[in-house]
Order: sequence, then C-alpha cells, then structure tokens
Amino acid sequence: GESVGLHLPTLSVQEGDNSIINCAYSNSASDYFIWYKQESGKGPQFIIDIRSNMDKRQGQRVTVLLNKTVKHLSLQIAATQPGDSAVYFCAENGSSNTGKLIFGQGTTLQVKP
Amino acid sequence: EPEVTQTPSHQVTQMGQEVILRCVPISNHLYFYWYRQILGQKVEFLVSFYNNEISEKSEIFDDQFSVERPDGSNFTLKIRSTKLEDSAMYFCASSRTGDQPQHFGDGTRLSIL
Repeated sequence: GESVGLHLPTLSVQEGDNSIINCAYSNSASDYFIWYKQESGKGPQFIIDIRSNMDKRQGQRVTVLLNKTVKHLSLQIAATQPGDSAVYFCAENGSSNTGKLIFGQGTTLQVKP
Repeated sequence: EPEVTQTPSHQVTQMGQEVILRCVPISNHLYFYWYRQILGQKVEFLVSFYNNEISEKSEIFDDQFSVERPDGSNFTLKIRSTKLEDSAMYFCASSRTGDQPQHFGDGTRLSIL
C-alpha cells in the first residue's frame, strides 16, 4: 500500500551542526516530493520540493536529496539553529495527479544550544 | 506574503452536531485541499478540489463530509453529524497547480464532546 515513512522519530543536534533527516517512500509512481516543517500549534510550512527528474535541489541552508533507486529522500539543514526545532514531514504525491499528498510520520528535530 | 487563513482556530461541538470549518485560500490558487491531523500523528489527506468539484477524496471523507466553495474566496468543510473520532486538527491548503507546493493554514482544532 501507499506509505511514506521516516527512519527516526527524534533527532537531537547541537546548534551549528548540520542535520540530516531521512525519509523512505514506497510508491514508485511518485514523481513529486516535498518537505514541510511544523512548529507547535501551526500548520505545515513548506520548506523545499523536488521532482523525480532531479536528484538534488538546494535552497537557503537546506538541501533535498532524492535517490529513486532505493526510494529514499533526505533533508539536510546546514548550521542548524534553535529556530529549526520542529517536526519535519516528508510527503509524496503517490500515483495521484490531483495534488493529494501522502505524509510520513514526522521526525522531531531538537536543537541543543 | 499571502497566506491561507482558517477560522475558527478552535471549535468545540457536541457529538451529532453539524460543524463547518472555514478557509480562505491564497487568492491566485486554483487547487484546494483539506487534511486532518490527529494529535501526535501524521497529516492525512481528506479531499482535493479543483474547478468547483472534488477531484479526489480519501476513505476518511465519507458521506458525512462535504466541501464547498460558496464564493470566490471561501472554501469550507462541513461535517454533518460529528463523531468523537472526528476530533483532530483540520488543515486547509491551496496550491496554484496540482503539482506545485501546497501552502497550509494554521488549522482548526475540532473537539467533539
């Protein structure tokens, strides 16, 4: 069935270090992937997306890597800051062309000062 | 920066009552969505809406649920006869096209008593 999962429920990093959050997806038909950040009491906030014709995309302090061979997605955050503390979700579009997103379970990122 | 707004932020309703959750999507977006998130769990897709009709719905979105775009700015989710298990955060999202980033509101917390 369709599922998107994250390898670790909680990631704790030191301020200033780089963070890597991983995600495994199961639907080979997915061609659009997206990372969201969710702070307590707020809705998911778009971070970065990537399409299946790419394997890497960079934003401001963030990089998303896509490995279609092993169906793996990762989010790298450079120089992690206390404001990066949140739950991070990956999502995929599965075999849908209606915009439906399938979310993973989420990884909590804790940044230690 | 334009954002998706949702009202109310918190809705408390007796079981069996009807509830309407309201959303104002970003003005130049054409695709609209509802998701829900039970406390501590992942975000789940409910329905996508485009061109004044439902384009896809999940198994959660049964006959008790309906959506409407009553005018050019609002997008509503109605639950006809609420159940205890409908208690969750409900998020509205919108996107310009079906494969561009969805932007989420901060949600309505629905509590069914």
